[in-house]
Amino acid sequence: GAVVSQHPSWVICKSGTSVKIECRSLDFQATTMFWYRQFPKQSLMLMATSNEGSKATYEQGVEKDKFLINHASLTLSTLTVTSAHPEDSSFYICSARQGNEQFFGPGTRLTVL
Amino acid sequence: GENVEQHPSTLSVQEGDSAVIKCTYSDSASNYFPWYKQELGKRPQLIIDIRSNVGEKKDQRIAVTLNKTAKHFSLHITETQPEDSAVYFCAATPRGFQKLVFGTGTRLLVSP
Repeated sequence: GAVVSQHPSWVICKSGTSVKIECRSLDFQATTMFWYRQFPKQSLMLMATSNEGSKATYEQGVEKDKFLINHASLTLSTLTVTSAHPEDSSFYICSARQGNEQFFGPGTRLTVL
Repeated sequence: GENVEQHPSTLSVQEGDSAVIKCTYSDSASNYFPWYKQELGKRPQLIIDIRSNVGEKKDQRIAVTLNKTAKHFSLHITETQPEDSAVYFCAATPRGFQKLVFGTGTRLLVSP
């Protein structure tokens, strides 16, 4: 099956710093990738749809200037959490679309001190 | 927009019993309904999916049924095993969109 990787798997940072998370489709090209965040014992909440070569589409309530998404190639999308604060601590998961299916990355656990 | 509700939130069964998780969706135009299994701290894994032109699909111990009229779909796991213990999410893809809208999840615990 399709493989999606994510890096880093975990990161701890100080409040006010920016953190970049990478999502890669390893064995297929993905024109569309998705970014989710998941709080403990909760469901996956879609943050944005990342489209290769164009601007991301953000879900209602997600600040596009805080969560910067870049999808510069068919195999890589990045999410940058700018000026991170403790409330941004969460599990961030990306997925890449192939046909109707979405294949998920292993997730990045972000802890902001 | 699409809204997906999922029940129950927790489900405890004995090994060998069957487990059923139900989801309802609001957008009658939704046309793709996957189910994911997520173990603690890991990525969601697709276990089965169904499209709107099919009423039922089975894969070994797992089956999914879809009732388009009632706008609900269900996951059925037979002969449950302790390794089936995880959180299960249903999802729906609204027609014309690429994104998934997830249900709230069901924590399944299978006791030996």
